[in-house]
Amino acid sequence: AQSVAQPEDQVNVAEGNPLTVKCTYSVSGNPYLFWYVQYPNRGLQFLLKYITGDNLVKGSYGFEAEFNKSQTSFHLKKPSALVSDSALYFCAVRDRYYGNNRLAFGKGNQVVVIP
Amino acid sequence: DAGITQSPRYKITETGRQVTLMCHQTWSHSYMFWYRQDLGHGLRLIYYSAAADITDKGEVPDGYVVSRSKTENFPLTLESATRSQTSVYFCASSESSVETQYFGPGTRLLVL
Repeated sequence: AQSVAQPEDQVNVAEGNPLTVKCTYSVSGNPYLFWYVQYPNRGLQFLLKYITGDNLVKGSYGFEAEFNKSQTSFHLKKPSALVSDSALYFCAVRDRYYGNNRLAFGKGNQVVVIP
Repeated sequence: DAGITQSPRYKITETGRQVTLMCHQTWSHSYMFWYRQDLGHGLRLIYYSAAADITDKGEVPDGYVVSRSKTENFPLTLESATRSQTSVYFCASSESSVETQYFGPGTRLLVL
């Protein structure tokens, strides 16, 4: 089985401060990992993904994430948060060999950037 | 993104009625997916399709039916709507099973 945990329901951060959204995963084999963002009343938008290679992945809008196999984590980071980054963030995982072509999504983290 | 569209965007129906949600993509992606989004549950996969005429159950398929006669369309039907099916429904597509999924704008469904 594959699953994702996003332990914090909401993350509050002041504008200009570093932003971190946490994600841990569980798979039987090796993972494919994704981050998506959802703005109010919109669909999910792709931010970045880890398939293989460099553990540090850079994505859209200045976001990056680091794959840590030993800690089974894929935390999303941004060095300096903007008010416009306020949104719902989803981490997703697929087991490379046992995933049955499906993504498992976390419950999402609401990020609030305070001006 | 205009590449994947959903209709209707909003729907109110009554318990027991049949409802069909439409999804259309212009990329000729092989894979298409239906999710529902509910508070406290994140996104849960209802059904997915690897190609035309190939569909498979996801995490929460009960009460739903899908078909895929054409690559670009993937309708989701609630055969007899229940209040527990009140939700926001998202369609997604991807070029392959390992590629990024691209999501439609969603359909908000209220079952009274």
